Amino acid sequence: GAVVSQHPSWVICKSGTSVKIECRSLDFQATTMFWYRQFPKQSLMLMATSNEGSKATYEQGVEKDKFLINHASLTLSTLTVTSAHPEDSSFYICSAGLWGVTYNEQFFGPGTRLTVL
Amino acid sequence: AQTVTQSQPEMSVQEAETVTLSCTYDTSESDYYLFWYKQPPSRQMILVIRQEAYKQQNATENRFSVNFQKAAKSFSLKISDSQLGDAAMYFCAYRVNYGGSQGNLIFGKGTKLSVKP
Repeated sequence: GAVVSQHPSWVICKSGTSVKIECRSLDFQATTMFWYRQFPKQSLMLMATSNEGSKATYEQGVEKDKFLINHASLTLSTLTVTSAHPEDSSFYICSAGLWGVTYNEQFFGPGTRLTVL
Repeated sequence: AQTVTQSQPEMSVQEAETVTLSCTYDTSESDYYLFWYKQPPSRQMILVIRQEAYKQQNATENRFSVNFQKAAKSFSLKISDSQLGDAAMYFCAYRVNYGGSQGNLIFGKGTKLSVKP
């Protein structure tokens, strides 16, 4: 199946700093990528949908100035958490959509654990 | 609004036995997909099975099968011959089919499945 990678797999940063998380589709081109956030023992909550070459669409309640999403190519989307605070500590998961006439599926990355001290 | 409900926060099954996880959803759309995802301790999301709403036949994947009741908006997952490796969080998910492009996944809160040896 199609493979999606995320980097880094975990990161620890100080409060007030910015952190960038990369999501790559390794063997297919993804016109749409999704970013999710998952708190411990909870479900995945969609943060934003990014389409290559256009601005991301953020879900209600997600601060677009805090969570910057860039989808500059068909294989790479990045999520930058700006001025991170301890409450931003979470597990962030991306997924990439592979759409076709007879096939469509989202493939998930392995996730990034962010800890803000 | 589209919602997905999993009413069983936790389930337990004896190894080699059968267990059924419940899921209900609410939507006014007629063309959509339903999924069951598995999230083991590694937190990598793994697609277990998918069902197209227009198909009356229930999907099956080896030991995994679904009972799709469209009118009742019910989508349960049956795991036969349970194995220790089946222990994980299971998420039911829904996605509208927009044709050439796809909407985002909407997840239920999950069911934690334990398998007893």
